[in-house]
Parts: sequence; structure tokens; C-alpha cells
Amino acid sequence: NAGVTQTPKFRVLKTGQSMTLLCAQDMNHEYMYWYRQDPGMGLRLIHYSVGEGTTAKGEVPDGYNVSRLKKQNFLLGLESAAPSQTSVYFCASSYGGQGNTEAFFGQGTRLTVV
Amino acid sequence: AQSVTQPDIHITVSEGASLELRCNYSYGATPYLFWYVQSPGQGLQLLLKYFSGDTLVQGIKGFEAEFKRSQSSFNLRKPSVHWSDAAEYFCAVGSGGGADGLTFGKGTHLIIQP
Repeated sequence: NAGVTQTPKFRVLKTGQSMTLLCAQDMNHEYMYWYRQDPGMGLRLIHYSVGEGTTAKGEVPDGYNVSRLKKQNFLLGLESAAPSQTSVYFCASSYGGQGNTEAFFGQGTRLTVV
Repeated sequence: AQSVTQPDIHITVSEGASLELRCNYSYGATPYLFWYVQSPGQGLQLLLKYFSGDTLVQGIKGFEAEFKRSQSSFNLRKPSVHWSDAAEYFCAVGSGGGADGLTFGKGTHLIIQP
């Protein structure tokens, strides 16, 4: 059972480039989330999804887009990367809302924008 | 808006000694509280959670936490730490049935001295 898998694990981008981070879960969870983790900031919610075909903004959505075309996948896109988006990105999924249900996290994607 | 404060950025404890990590929250209603652990290079793993009932909750790896409503606290404890407990610990608050993710504290980095 793979749980939550994120690809890639590491990436270096030049300012202005675009990329997509993929999150896949095999637990049939309805809810999926994208967080970013910055030193001294904890985790902050970027976007989330409550089911296939749905997305919603979190605390820090600017500069990111997401899509949930299939229940098991949640994509995070950066259309024009900026140095401020250098961070570690975590995907999570949960059976119910993350406010009262255990969330399962991927191992993270370390993104550097130069 | 809900918030979580972890007053200690770093804590150093000798192996075999007891541990207490502090967490204070701000939330208007009954909080749903979580402690997650992040080992180096890994995603987050749930240690324990409090939703209701007994205010002392037991988690994995020998951890426990006590919910004190009067102090708005949810401190994490362990009677005797092991070198493998060295990690980053995050306290988080959820909004119950809400789907909009968790609010995390900034984390406490635990260092274990031999």
C-alpha cells in the first residue's frame, strides 16, 4: 500500500518556468490538500479538494493552480515560478474533512526557484 | 480565525529523560487537536488526536497529550525519550467537520543528546 505518493521529489526551476507537481493516493480518499512548508512557518494550506472535479483556495493560493480530474490524483501547477515559491510542498489526503479526520501525507517535493 | 502557538522552536533533551512540548491554540468552538511528527526528509505522521471525551489521549510511540480547555493548551509528553524521537513536532487545530485543512503551529525541533 503506497499511501500518498508525490512526484517529483526534487526540482530546480528558473524564474518564469512552469511545472506541475503530481500527488497520487491509493486509499480512495475524498479529500486532498496541498501545503507548503517554509522554515519557521509550519505548514500553510495552498489549495484543497473535497472530491473529484472540485477545488478550493486555502490560505496561500496566489501563484498556484490545481486540478482534480481523477479522484486519486491532485495536481499542483506553477504557471510562472518565482523565487518566493522556493519551498517544500506536501500533499495530503483524508477520508473525511481534515478538521476531524487523520490526514496522510506524502514525503514532500523540494522545489528551488532560481 | 484559529491559530496555534508552539512557544519552543528548539528543545534539547537527554536520552531517557522526560519530554514535554507545549502547544497553545486559539479557536472559538470546541477544537479538534492534533500532534504530527516529521522525521528528517519525511512527510508528517499523526501521533495522536483529541476530539472529545477523556482529556488525556494516548498516541503512538509512547506519546500522550493532555487537553486543558482552561489553559487553551494541548501539550505533548513522553516519559522517556529515545534517540529515534529526534524530529520536528507540529501541533495543529482543525475546525471539526471543516474540509479546509488544518492550522499548524510553526513546529518544535527536538534534539536528543546521548
